[in-house]
Amino acid sequence: EAAVTQSPRNKVAVTGGKVTLSCNQTNNHNNMYWYRQDTGHGLRLIHYSYGAGSTEKGDIPDGYKASRPSQENFSLILELATPSQTSVYFCASGDPISNERLFFGHGTKLSVL
Amino acid sequence: GQQVQQSPASLVLQEGENAELQCNFSTSLNSMQWFYQRPGGSLVSLFYNPSGTKQSGRLTSTTVIKERRSSLHISSSQTTDSGTYLCAGANTGKLTFGHGTILRVHP
Repeated sequence: EAAVTQSPRNKVAVTGGKVTLSCNQTNNHNNMYWYRQDTGHGLRLIHYSYGAGSTEKGDIPDGYKASRPSQENFSLILELATPSQTSVYFCASGDPISNERLFFGHGTKLSVL
Repeated sequence: GQQVQQSPASLVLQEGENAELQCNFSTSLNSMQWFYQRPGGSLVSLFYNPSGTKQSGRLTSTTVIKERRSSLHISSSQTTDSGTYLCAGANTGKLTFGHGTILRVHP
């Protein structure tokens, strides 16, 4: 079974601080994604990547950066965290166009105080 | 407007009843997928179904691309089916999700 691992599982940050969320996949998938899930908004795409070295803006990229240093790892970076970024963040890997299902990590619950 | 619309928003069943969940999507999306999420949990892929009908146990997914709709049928529901069901469509590698249907199955 495909595996996507996120760390940390829970994070409390202060306003203005830097937060890095990490994601590792062992599926050898080219595509990786970062979503946030909020009540009333569902899942929204922040950034995604087509492979090592590439990052693309999703639907709500403002306030976030992404980094894909290798096939396996994809990070989401909040340089100056704000309370509005309090959410549950999910990482996923897969390629929905090439008949590959998406596999999700367990999520990171981030609270910015 | 919203590219993926799901209905109903919530549904309550008695154990043993059947459920039909609907997903309507815009013309820019295809490669429909269905996911299940337990409260506080991660998303688990149920079906990748770009067209036609697929079945897995008590679950059946039907996608009619020409009519821009996909459905998920749950037969003989069980309490363990409770959770949120989300559909999503793809566009150039990006997956867009609906807001989900919250299903509660009572014993």
